[in-house]
Amino acid sequence: GDKVKQSPSALSLQEGTNSALRCNFSIAATTVQWFLQNPRGSLINLFYLVPGTKENGRLKSTFNSKESYSTLHIRDAQLEDSGTYFCAADNSGTYQRFGTGTKLQVVP
Amino acid sequence: VTLLEQNPRWRLVPRGQAVNLRCILKNSQYPWMSWYQQDLQKQLQWLFTLRSPGDKEVKSLPGADYLATRVTDTELRLQVANMSQGRTLYCTCSGGLGGDNQDTQYFGPGTRLLVL
Repeated sequence: GDKVKQSPSALSLQEGTNSALRCNFSIAATTVQWFLQNPRGSLINLFYLVPGTKENGRLKSTFNSKESYSTLHIRDAQLEDSGTYFCAADNSGTYQRFGTGTKLQVVP
Repeated sequence: VTLLEQNPRWRLVPRGQAVNLRCILKNSQYPWMSWYQQDLQKQLQWLFTLRSPGDKEVKSLPGADYLATRVTDTELRLQVANMSQGRTLYCTCSGGLGGDNQDTQYFGPGTRLLVL
């Protein structure tokens, strides 16, 4: 978890607001993945990124390999966005390291 | 539609005993299958990715020893031994490694292991 640091560790958001989660790497990363584990424990793959930006609905993610970080932006947060968000840094398939997660609670 | 079936869904494992897990793929469009573990502190870790029937890999990590086998195009197995603490094992499938293929990575429901 030290090699991939996520911030904040926990966050409470009002429904309808926006926020950004961050992942900083102290290891070389060629690709990044973002996952959501919902309150029932199910894991969902959100993004697989090479350096650059991807968008999917209300979610947008950026991976900056030169500065060793990735961000996940959530727009117009909904109750079903609640859960723990994990990022993972991958180095050309030789290893994949996960962060410790950001626990997000969206409240009405 | 459920892409992956894992069994058992949970198991109590006497200390020192090994346990065998199965993952069944329901859609051959996503043939790259992997195992991940999540420990009691919720830390996730990738374990293995096996593509072809007959592929086998072993790994010893703090807290458990693993043997993964790709049995058929639709079945992936994992033997967990010498487990010191409980954990959850997740099976995944994807259309390939890297690129847009890995955008299509799907997780199974998980098998929760508890040590007696």
